[in-house]
Amino acid sequence: EIVLTQSPATLSLSPGERATLSCRASQTIYNYLAWYQQKLGQAPRLLIYDTSKRATGIPARFSGSGAGTDFTLTISSLEPEDFAFYYCQQRRDWPITFGGGTKVEIK
Amino acid sequence: DVHLLESGGGLVQPGGSLRLSCAASNFNFRTYAMSWVRQAPGKGLEWVSSLTAGGENTFYADSVKGRFTFSRDNSKNTLYLQLNSLRAEDTAIYYCGRVMFGPTYYFDSWGQGTLVTVSS
Repeated sequence: EIVLTQSPATLSLSPGERATLSCRASQTIYNYLAWYQQKLGQAPRLLIYDTSKRATGIPARFSGSGAGTDFTLTISSLEPEDFAFYYCQQRRDWPITFGGGTKVEIK
Repeated sequence: DVHLLESGGGLVQPGGSLRLSCAASNFNFRTYAMSWVRQAPGKGLEWVSSLTAGGENTFYADSVKGRFTFSRDNSKNTLYLQLNSLRAEDTAIYYCGRVMFGPTYYFDSWGQGTLVTVSS
């Protein structure tokens, strides 16, 4: 099973600041990585797929990068609605796995 | 907009069974693979199962293999997840998700979830 490790567990930032979230895979997953946002009490929402492609309707302030085992989600300037949980997910191999999540909270 | 609506959750005793449903609308259901993902209270996301568009191939997490059965009725635009031999650790919100076309096994639309609680 491919294990995804997200860091940090919590990121405390102010609106307008840049957020950098990390996801590390236990073995290469090429570029087969997605990022999801989940707000409290809501279903997850797909933000990024194949490492760097934005899903439909996702603002340009969200970007993804990386390859192999190390991946990054960047939010260039945090909006109030961006404070939420973020999960990475790999589809390189079965079983599909998710990272443990990063909480982006207001400082 | 794509719409997915789960139902069938509830309180069940350990060892019991439950059948979840997911009604899909506003997209060509029969051409998409679909999946279930769950989330235990206060925890992260866990993939449960995926099923190809025509229902030919099904994939399960080891934690549910042999106990859960994922099926679909393309004439009714509905998914089913049969949960048997339930354990306390199966307590979670169960989301159905549409697999992005390819299939890519990323999940581009999600329902709001249905809560399954396994407790005596």
